[in-house]
This record gives sequence, C-alpha cells and structure tokens, in this order.
Amino acid sequence: GQQLNQSPQSMFIQEGEDVSMNCTSSSIFNTWLWYKQDPGEGPVLLIALYKAGELTSNGRLTAQFGTTRKDSFLNISASIPSDVGIYFCAGDSGNTGKLIFGQGTTLQVKP
Amino acid sequence: GAVVSQHPSWVICKSGTSVKIECRSLDFQATTMFWYRQFPKQSLMLMATSNEGSKATYEQGVEKDKFLINHASLTLSTLTVTSAHPEDSSFYICSARGGYGAEKLFFGSGTQLSVL
Repeated sequence: GQQLNQSPQSMFIQEGEDVSMNCTSSSIFNTWLWYKQDPGEGPVLLIALYKAGELTSNGRLTAQFGTTRKDSFLNISASIPSDVGIYFCAGDSGNTGKLIFGQGTTLQVKP
Repeated sequence: GAVVSQHPSWVICKSGTSVKIECRSLDFQATTMFWYRQFPKQSLMLMATSNEGSKATYEQGVEKDKFLINHASLTLSTLTVTSAHPEDSSFYICSARGGYGAEKLFFGSGTQLSVL
C-alpha cells in the first residue's frame, strides 16, 4: 500500500532556530497536509496544499507541495517552546478525506 | 470552528469485554467519518471509512468482525472493539468530513483504550 516516509524522526533545537522536515512518497498524492499533534490529542491541521509546486505559509510555518506530487516539506521559522509536539505529513490521493500519514517528526525546543 | 467530539477520552477494560467509542460531529453533518488507530510513538493508521447509512469499508488487515462500525446518523459514528485483548490497547482517533477539502476534515481528540 501507499507509504509516506517522513524525516527526521526527531529534532531537538534551540529556541529561535529554524526547523525543516520533509515527506516523500512512492506514489502521487493530490493533496498534501501537515498536522501537529499534542500528547493525548487528535491532530490539528496546520497547512493544506492542493497544487504541485504550491508554496503556502501560515504564520511562521511554510510548506511546499513538490512538483512531482510525491513530496512535501514543512519549515518552521524562529521556533518557540510552544512549537513542541509531533508533526505529521499526510497525503490524500483522491481528495476523499482518507489520509495516509507519515511516521511523524517529534520536535523539542529548548528555551 | 467545527468540533468533533469523541467519547470516552479514555477507557480501561478487562480482556474479553467489548468497548464502544463514539464520534460525534457537533455542529455539522458528516456523511463520512474515518477511524484511525495510533500505537505509542507511531503514526496514525487508517482502520476504516464509515459511511452514513451503509456498511463501513475496512482497510486491509483490519478485522471487521472485531472492530464494528455503525454510522447510524449524519452526526454519529461508533466503533465497538469486541472481545478486546491487551494487543488492542491503543489510541483510537476519528475524523469527520464536513465538506470538500482538508479544511472541512476535523479530528476528534482521541480515545485511549487500555485492555487489562
């Protein structure tokens, strides 16, 4: 079945630093999504990407939909302690709402 | 914003018993809901797609007789874990689709199931 490879698995950074994480897939997705999950909670949508090559920002977050439609990256600039959490990429091949998730990137920010 | 309520938020049960988890869309109608399972430090794995008024569609490897899904109304889907065993202990999360696009897809807050 479809799989998403997300890296890095974890990051430990200093407050104020920029962060980058990415996802790759063996197959094409029509929609790429980035979520943040706090412990014991459901994921919350950060950014949605619908077009190949699209670059979208949400505050300090920027994400891009790869031109091949098989990859995406998420950047977080000037990290702050509340950025701590697990970040997941997700793909939707047919805009059905049926999502395939990456393995997650655990982010820790040192004040 | 739209809210999806999941209940209970956590449950502990004895091995062999059944547990029902509810997923409700509070301020929108959802013809389609999804159920995911997440083991500690792992990703969300799609278990099944729940369609209002019809049978659920299960992903490969998910036992439909063990994980019973009922989507009896446009605002409620239930997942029943039958004859639960310790290996069923996991975090179960639902999502509900209120329209087209990712911005119309909302996740519940999850249910932590622990089977003793």
